[in-house]
Amino acid sequence: DAKTTQPPSMDCAEGRAANLPCNHSTISGNEYVYWYRQIHSQGPQYIIHGLKNNETNEMASLIITEDRKSSTLILPHATLRDTAVYYCIREYRDDKIIFGKGTRLHILP
Amino acid sequence: ETGVTQTPRHLVMGMTNKKSLKCEQHLGHNAMYWYKQSAKKPLELMFVYSLEERVENNSVPSRFSPECPNSSHLFLHLHTLQPEDSALYLCASSQTWTWGLYNEQFFGPGTRLTVL
Repeated sequence: DAKTTQPPSMDCAEGRAANLPCNHSTISGNEYVYWYRQIHSQGPQYIIHGLKNNETNEMASLIITEDRKSSTLILPHATLRDTAVYYCIREYRDDKIIFGKGTRLHILP
Repeated sequence: ETGVTQTPRHLVMGMTNKKSLKCEQHLGHNAMYWYKQSAKKPLELMFVYSLEERVENNSVPSRFSPECPNSSHLFLHLHTLQPEDSALYLCASSQTWTWGLYNEQFFGPGTRLTVL
């Protein structure tokens, strides 16, 4: 049980911002939220992680709600190369992490 | 290039064969992982090694036997596999085993295994 909920698929027009939601309503106070993506036939790639504050790096931004029950990954200017499955993952207290089914993001030309 | 390499990239084996998957990381990390990714199923964590000691075995059948001779190399020895073991096997490494800041995992490209 991944204990995160993501929509199975989303579409986004090329050049627009892709906003990928994740629900983690049972997250505890010291658990991080991590995002990975997996492009077809490749291993997963780390994108970003956060605890309470919003985070930004060269790939994406992570917006975490104040109650920490949900977050949104933002790809500011989506390109065709961003087509992938995006995983939202909680860090577990006992150091296990479990990948869910993720969101399959389709970037439309 | 993530700094984690896996060989072979593709492997076809019969149920009576013995084969090994190899993973090597060039990142100076202390923790290494094996994952299994079956078609239409989420990634499943199989084994975790920290400083060459196995710290996690996620109820994996004994026909999968991991080996970590040093912190840079990880093997998965396979014997008498079943067709349902066909999957993408991914290796990953991280700075340490305990998750926290700067502990993101770096994944290799995977080995696509087919068991006939």
